[in-house]
Amino acid sequence: DAKTTQPNSMESNEEEPVHLPCNHSTISGTDYIHWYRQLPSQGPEYVIHGLTSNVNNRMASLAIAEDRKSSTLILHRATLRDAAVYYCILRYGGSQGNLIFGKGTKLSVKP
Amino acid sequence: DAGVIQSPRHEVTEMGQEVTLRCKPISGHNSLFWYRQTMMRGLELLIYFNNNVPIDDSGMPEDRFSAKMPNASFSTLKIQPSEPRDSAVYFCASSKGSTNEKLFFGSGTQLSVL
Repeated sequence: DAKTTQPNSMESNEEEPVHLPCNHSTISGTDYIHWYRQLPSQGPEYVIHGLTSNVNNRMASLAIAEDRKSSTLILHRATLRDAAVYYCILRYGGSQGNLIFGKGTKLSVKP
Repeated sequence: DAGVIQSPRHEVTEMGQEVTLRCKPISGHNSLFWYRQTMMRGLELLIYFNNNVPIDDSGMPEDRFSAKMPNASFSTLKIQPSEPRDSAVYFCASSKGSTNEKLFFGSGTQLSVL
């Protein structure tokens, strides 16, 4: 399985933008880039995903490098409720792709 | 939509006992996933089903673990006999099946084996 590399932890101030990086140098052409987050004592929840183009939704934006070997999850204005572990995952784009979680980045948000 | 429903929320049992965890996926979803989470190993994929058929069970730790999906609305994960090292949070997730679809996770079952 293609793997991702994320910083173990990051800090942010409330109301400021947050850029969470992810390296995936061994990504294949059929791998989708997925982001999930896990709030304390909850199951993971979907944030965003993309293949080649940048993506936006109500939660976040996903910026994908032109060579697809890295991506960045952007939270435009961090709130205290955004404090969570953020997982960057490559998911095989074939008919039956698993979702394999790495260690993720623990984001702390300071008031 | 009620989301993915798991039961029980908490389970405390003694070593050697049989444990059955249950999951009801979101209606209309045809893929179902079982994960286990511990501090040491993080989130591990145990098994996943597509259209009630097990597709990949390579993450199932050993023969003590078994999973079934008798129909599209129900799945079980059974541990027999249970051991203290099985203590973890077990999550069930479902999706519409395509790899372009997001997974929806349940609230998990906190299992403690004494």
